[in-house]
Amino acid sequence: AQKITQTQPGMFVQEKEAVTLDCTYDTSDPSYGLFWYKQPSSGEMIFLIYQGSYDQQNATEGRYSLNFQKARKSANLVISASQLGDSAMYFCAMRVPSNDYKLSFGAGTTVTVRA
Amino acid sequence: DTEVTQTPKHLVMGMTNKKSLKCEQHMGHRAMYWYKQKAKKPPELMFVYSYEKLSINESVPSRFSPECPNSSLLNLHLHALQPEDSALYLCASSLQTRRTGALNQPQHFGDGTRLSIL
Repeated sequence: AQKITQTQPGMFVQEKEAVTLDCTYDTSDPSYGLFWYKQPSSGEMIFLIYQGSYDQQNATEGRYSLNFQKARKSANLVISASQLGDSAMYFCAMRVPSNDYKLSFGAGTTVTVRA
Repeated sequence: DTEVTQTPKHLVMGMTNKKSLKCEQHMGHRAMYWYKQKAKKPPELMFVYSYEKLSINESVPSRFSPECPNSSLLNLHLHALQPEDSALYLCASSLQTRRTGALNQPQHFGDGTRLSIL
């Protein structure tokens, strides 16, 4: 079985500061994919960044970077230079072959950016 | 604007009504998905279509009936829903599901349909 854990229900961050969202995972599959999604109050789920289990380098996409620590089974999302538009719910998710490649989501973290 | 289009954006219906949710994508994706999402919870997978064939049904009640008329369209037919079915219904698509390389394929979501059952 696979599991995604996000332990921070909500976070506040000051505009222009960086914020780290925690995500730990558990799987016995040697191959897996890790994803982060952003969901504003409007409802759309926006794909942010991907990290593969065999990727040697941490993924980066603009202001988003993924701090991948395979031995610790963690895949934390770092948002640099926070903007008001970053206020949203953020989900960590994982795909593994043994689960039919279905996307398993964590509980989510709500981020509120303060001006 | 998202590349996955869902209509309607909002839907209010009675428990005896029949309605349909629609989803369309033109990215050439061959896998399409329906999710149900309650407030402040992660999405829950309902159905997966792969190459226009139903490949996964997550034990969804028969009052929800999916349909994939072609590779770009996905419908969810609703009939005799219950108040607990009120939720955000999200459609998603991806390049593929179970083949090699599927692990790195993100799912692209639409804006969702907010469904309220009276």
